[in-house]
Amino acid sequence: GAGVSQSPRYKVAKRGQDVALRCDPISGHVSLFWYQQALGQGPEFLTYFQNEAQLDKSGLPSDRFFAERPEGSVSTLKIQRTQQEDSAVYLCASSWGGVTDTQYFGPGTRLTVL
Amino acid sequence: TQLLEQSPQFLSIQEGENLTVYCNSSSVFSSLQWYRQEPGEGPALLVTVVTGGEVKKLKRLTFQFGDARKDSSLHITAAQPGDTGLYLCAGAMNRDDKIIFGKGTRLHILP
Repeated sequence: GAGVSQSPRYKVAKRGQDVALRCDPISGHVSLFWYQQALGQGPEFLTYFQNEAQLDKSGLPSDRFFAERPEGSVSTLKIQRTQQEDSAVYLCASSWGGVTDTQYFGPGTRLTVL
Repeated sequence: TQLLEQSPQFLSIQEGENLTVYCNSSSVFSSLQWYRQEPGEGPALLVTVVTGGEVKKLKRLTFQFGDARKDSSLHITAAQPGDTGLYLCAGAMNRDDKIIFGKGTRLHILP
């Protein structure tokens, strides 16, 4: 389909391992967003790209979290030295324009840290 | 402190009944959005409201933005099992701000 895709859909990591989560936005979408959704909560903003520029990373919980979008399309969210509190669903969304345009969400990656 | 409070947290009703869920804040928002999220999927946008007092209808769903732009409601008429899901409200305080989500109302419609 032509929607936002994310991989892997499920990831189990041992505490201390590094993980990389991938997002393929809708083709041509300028903006890309990452959110973290803990169990029973709404999504919380992590970071936002416009093309390859990371315009806002204020939501990243610690310096263990790093996101990149080097060619302005695919993005990777990397979490180093995972902790149990990192367990959540990580959602990616993309939009044609900026933050105020309609965001289309992917299905998310469910990360479980043991 | 949650900027957007949604109530109720959980709601389970019989098919055919009407219901209203709420999204409240002490802050003014330039726009509010409602999303529905089903298990294993990301949120899907239902509507965006931008003008105080605005009412929008989407088939059996009626969305209202409060006059002061601090609150919103979603009313569902004659609920159906297909309406089951997590309903999230989200808002942007200023025009170019990132959106903030509430915790959601988990709705279950019993056949």
